[in-house]
Parts: sequence; C-alpha cells; structure tokens
Amino acid sequence: DVKVTQSSRYLVKRTGEKVFLECVQDMDHENMFWYRQDPGLGLRLIYFSYDVKMKEKGDIPEGYSVSREKKERFSLILESASTNQTSMYLCASTQVGRTNYGYTFGSGTRLTVV
Amino acid sequence: AQRVTQPEKLLSVFKGAPVELKCNYSYSGSPELFWYVQYSRQRLQLLLRHISRESIKGFTADLNKGETSFHLKKPFAQEEDSAMYYCALSPIGTDKLIFGTGTRLQVFP
Repeated sequence: DVKVTQSSRYLVKRTGEKVFLECVQDMDHENMFWYRQDPGLGLRLIYFSYDVKMKEKGDIPEGYSVSREKKERFSLILESASTNQTSMYLCASTQVGRTNYGYTFGSGTRLTVV
Repeated sequence: AQRVTQPEKLLSVFKGAPVELKCNYSYSGSPELFWYVQYSRQRLQLLLRHISRESIKGFTADLNKGETSFHLKKPFAQEEDSAMYYCALSPIGTDKLIFGTGTRLQVFP
C-alpha cells in the first residue's frame, strides 16, 4: 500500500521555537505539498516542491520554509512558532502530470503552539 | 482570481434523503475539478473527478460551465456518507489543487 507518512500525529511547541514537520513518501512522486487545514478555511497551500531542491510558495508561505534534499522527504519548518500557526498540517504527494489520479495525503500533524 | 466556493459549512439530512453539496468555482478557462472526502479519523482521499464522469459510492458530480458549478449529488444518503467533503480545482498545466472551505455532511438514521 502506497503511503505518505508524517512523523508526528500530535505536537505541542512553545512560542518562538523552531519546529520541523517531516513527511516521507514511498511512491517515487516528484510533487510534494504542504497544506494547513483549519475549520471554516479549508485547506490552504503553504509550499510545494516539484523536484529535489526545488520549491515554490503557495498561498500562505509567511512564517514557513521548506526543505527537499531527497525525493522522498519534504520538510516544513516553522522558523519561530506563533500561536496563529496552531493547526492541522497535511502533507501530500503526486506524480508530475498525474493530479487527475488524485493526491495521496498523509494522516496529518496536529500542531499546538502555546 | 482562482477560487472554489462551498457555501454550506454543514448539511444535515436523514438517511434515504437526497443530498446535494454545492461547489462553485472561479477560473478563466476549463479547470480540472475534483471532490475529496475525509471520513472521521481517516486521511483525505479523492472521491471523484469530473474528467472521468464516474459514480463513486453512489455520488455523481456534473460540471456546469455556464454556472461554473460542480455540485456533488447522491439520490439516497447513507449514514456512512457522513464526512467532510472538499471541492477542489486544478488549474490547467499545474499539479496544484485549490480547495474550497469544505462542507460537513451529517446523515442521521
């Protein structure tokens, strides 16, 4: 069974901490995405990557950065966590040109910043 | 601007009743449209896509370019249909998905 694995299901961090959210896929997909999911706001794209070391900003990149050193791993970094970054974070992947076949999503990381 | 609008946050129906989850989009051109579903404690997953004109779990969705809509329909709701439903748009030539705000469907016995 193909998988997108997010390393943590729940995280609690303090304001100002640097936070790393990890995502690994085993499908050899080129594209990887980070979304945040908030009630009433749906899913909003933070960053995406279409190849190793390549990244593009999504709709809400402020306060975030990403790293893609290997094809299978896409990390989301909160440089200095703030309470308004408390959210559910979803990672997803797909093959280039195969969005029609659907994204494969991870199970999500619920981050609470206190 | 590219946008997906789902006007209902919550839709409650009784088992056996028809269901229609509304989705309108804003896009200059012919987008690729999708419905994703998230059942309780499960991952978000693709339900159906307009390009394949398929019916999945009894759900169908028709693209109406004149009304820029892609409503999700099912003639007889089941309790197991209770979930969060997201409409999504993929601009042509990209692999990005733009999601709506989601509609929670509750089907009561």
